[in-house]
Amino acid sequence: KQEVTQIPAALSVPEGENLVLNCSFTDSAIYNLQWFRQDPGKGLTSLLLIQSSQREQTSGRLNASLDKSSGRSTLYIAASQPGDSATYLCAVETMEYGNKLVFGAGTILRVKS
Amino acid sequence: EAQVTQNPRYLITVTGKKLTVTCSQNMNHEYMSWYRQDPGLGLRQIYYSMNVEVTDKGDVPEGYKVSRKEKRNFPLILESPSPNQTSLYFCASSPKLGELFFGEGSRLTVL
Repeated sequence: KQEVTQIPAALSVPEGENLVLNCSFTDSAIYNLQWFRQDPGKGLTSLLLIQSSQREQTSGRLNASLDKSSGRSTLYIAASQPGDSATYLCAVETMEYGNKLVFGAGTILRVKS
Repeated sequence: EAQVTQNPRYLITVTGKKLTVTCSQNMNHEYMSWYRQDPGLGLRQIYYSMNVEVTDKGDVPEGYKVSRKEKRNFPLILESPSPNQTSLYFCASSPKLGELFFGEGSRLTVL
């Protein structure tokens, strides 16, 4: 059964720092991996989608990498800002039992001004 | 504007009173799904649908029903709600193997 783990569970950094969020998954048979942002009381917003054949995706200050063989992904945030404070979740679309999306528990990020 | 719309956004009900949470998307997506989010348990998939008339169970389907009669709509039905179904529910849609779009969420309390 696919399991997704995110480390750290929470992170507090000063404004301007570069930071890395980690996501690992147990079964490499995936279609894709997605990173999401969730603000308190809100829905999830997709940040980056990496297909299984890709190694990384970039959007603005965000860069996500995927190493399918080792079951790992990282989300790199450059020059963090207070507006980046949110919960970040990763999810893998797994081939197990058809198309099923499995989420990690998330990393709560706080960027202090 | 591309969006996934859920209703109601907030609902308080009592045990056993049937309710339906509607979900509609305007992006012509094939794939739709329902999740519940609980503290300490994260997001868990309830049901998903690959296309019209095609639905399948996720990780926590017990106590829920869905239907997909039209491409744009994917309602979640609680035939006899119980307090353990108190949760924050999200509907999502995507093109096949594509980026997932989420609704704003529906907060349900069952007394």
